[in-house]
Amino acid sequence: DVKVTQSSRYLVKRTGEKVFLECVQDMDHENMFWYRQDPGLGLRLIYFSYDVKMKEKGDIPEGYSVSREKKERFSLILESASTNQTSMYLCASSFYPGPSYEQYFGPGTRLTVT
Amino acid sequence: GESVGLHLPTLSVQEGDNSIINCAYSNSASDYFIWYKQESGKGPQFIIDIRSNMDKRQGQRVTVLLNKTVKHLSLQIAATQPGDSAVYFCAEKGNNAGNMLTFGGGTRLMVKP
Repeated sequence: DVKVTQSSRYLVKRTGEKVFLECVQDMDHENMFWYRQDPGLGLRLIYFSYDVKMKEKGDIPEGYSVSREKKERFSLILESASTNQTSMYLCASSFYPGPSYEQYFGPGTRLTVT
Repeated sequence: GESVGLHLPTLSVQEGDNSIINCAYSNSASDYFIWYKQESGKGPQFIIDIRSNMDKRQGQRVTVLLNKTVKHLSLQIAATQPGDSAVYFCAEKGNNAGNMLTFGGGTRLMVKP
């Protein structure tokens, strides 16, 4: 079974703090993704990576950065956390190329910025 | 002040009935579609997928129907069970989008015993 793990299930941080969210996958997937999930807005892509040290901006990259130093690990960084970054953060990974485009998700990190 | 998020559409069905969850997609060039189920406190899990060269695909108790003419996707769940209660998302992949998926807002399915 593919396993995607995220470093924390719940996190509370203060405004202005630097926040690291870690994601690890054990299936040697090339692609990794970070989404944020807000009620009624579905999943919005923040960044994705298709290879080590490669990254591409998604739909809402502002206020975030990422790091992929190893194939299995993809980190999301909030340089200076703000209250509007309070959200559920989901990491996912997938093969490239197919056979399908299924993305495997971690359990999520619920981040609260106070 | 506290921000108020958008409310999810909700479908309420009786246990044992069939459920139909609908999704309108935006990109007529999308060539792949996928349904996910997300239970409370968990990440989304794959249910079923379909490519644009098909109009129907069946799995265990689930069927996905694709109508490209009106850009509509539906997920049918037969004999709905309490364990089917969750939020369901559809996602599409454009034919030039690499491996990126675009997700819909989700529908909450509530199963009444």
